[in-house]
Amino acid sequence: NAGVTQTPKFQVLKTGQSMTLQCAQDMNHEYMSWYRQDPGMGLRLIHYSVGAGITDQGEVPNGYNVSRSTTEDFPLRLLSAAPSQTSVYFCASSLPGQGTGELFFGEGSRLTVL
Amino acid sequence: AQKITQTQPGMFVQEKEAVTLDCTYDTSDQSYGLFWYKQPSSGEMIFLIYQGSYDEQNATEGRYSLNFQKARKSANLVISASQLGDSAMYFCAMDRPYTGNQFYFGTGTSLTVIP
Repeated sequence: NAGVTQTPKFQVLKTGQSMTLQCAQDMNHEYMSWYRQDPGMGLRLIHYSVGAGITDQGEVPNGYNVSRSTTEDFPLRLLSAAPSQTSVYFCASSLPGQGTGELFFGEGSRLTVL
Repeated sequence: AQKITQTQPGMFVQEKEAVTLDCTYDTSDQSYGLFWYKQPSSGEMIFLIYQGSYDEQNATEGRYSLNFQKARKSANLVISASQLGDSAMYFCAMDRPYTGNQFYFGTGTSLTVIP
């Protein structure tokens, strides 16, 4: 089972460059989300989606853009990278109303902005 | 606002001993879920255990149990018979079940198991 797949796993950007972190899940989960993990700060929610065509902002949305055109895919776009966006990014999915509703995470993407 | 507090940045435990990782939370919601995740040095996030706010019994999953004290708003993770493979970061988290994928995480506790 593939589960949640994130690409790339590592990326180095220069300030001002743009890029897209890809996320795909094959579990037919309605809910998908993006978190960033910074040392000493745990994981913080960037954007989330409750279904295709529906997205909303989380705790730290500035500088990021998302779209959800299909159930499977939820890409995260950095519009103009800044050093403050150096972080580890996790994509997650879940299926509401079934089991515990726990998040299923991708393996993470480590982004460095110079 | 929802908040998760983990006050132990680092913990040490002797192999085969039990250890408790503390977690307190703050929410005005009546319905919520509490979760613990493990993050080994390889970086992946591994779901360990879940407790619903209306569950009257403490959750257990193998060597993991969740000591849920609703009035005190605490959800401590107890790991029994610690193993070397338990060395990792542990995150407490809370969700808001009817608001999509909104999870709130604590800052984590780094657990080291000593042989």
